[in-house]
Amino acid sequence: DSGVTQTPKHLITATGQRVTLRCSPRSGDLSVYWYQQSLDQGLQFLIQYYNGEERAKGNILERFSAQQFPDLHSELNLSSLELGDSALYFCASSVEGQARNTIYFGEGSWLTVV
Amino acid sequence: AQKVTQAQTEISVVEKEDVTLDCVYETRDTTYYLFWYKQPPSGELVFLIRRNSFDEQNEISGRYSWNFQKSTSSFNFTITASQVVDSAVYFCALSEEAYGGSQGNLIFGKGTKLSVKP
Repeated sequence: DSGVTQTPKHLITATGQRVTLRCSPRSGDLSVYWYQQSLDQGLQFLIQYYNGEERAKGNILERFSAQQFPDLHSELNLSSLELGDSALYFCASSVEGQARNTIYFGEGSWLTVV
Repeated sequence: AQKVTQAQTEISVVEKEDVTLDCVYETRDTTYYLFWYKQPPSGELVFLIRRNSFDEQNEISGRYSWNFQKSTSSFNFTITASQVVDSAVYFCALSEEAYGGSQGNLIFGKGTKLSVKP
């Protein structure tokens, strides 16, 4: 158990819909990351937050957005969903969000868009 | 540009065999960190090891060992006396101090699927 909690674990939704994935980082970690894992793209970094502020952006689509709240939990919002958005979405956290920090991953949220 | 290559897509071994998973990286940075993660069939990503670019000592943890060689930009992972429970996808990853120091996001290889048969 990494200490990173993600909900829901599984989600099936229709094209065009919007979903929210939720993440609680490990106790004491200030930085949260979101990654997407799909068969064709592999593990892709989406976005990082540190103590409530956006710190880095990766390959995140404009239809996707995220935020980190004062209690440090984070949400990833996916809207206007397409079939290609079906993937495993990971939340991860680290102490300070620095390159030297180990990043611990949650169990992931499996999203299926039908 | 930064890149992680895991050339072995799939490896199949019989239990008790030793197996080495290769990882080659590219970076412009002099300070960087290398990681291995395990993804079992259940899907979670489990952290195995972190190495910084200044520490080329090999590391052993039980049946796992890691060989870091800066001269060849490689960070290989060996499982000794493999077991069925080692069956998983293994990912090598890189984070860079200068270019991602304040960010720490990981660049992953495409993973190697290891199947250990009884």
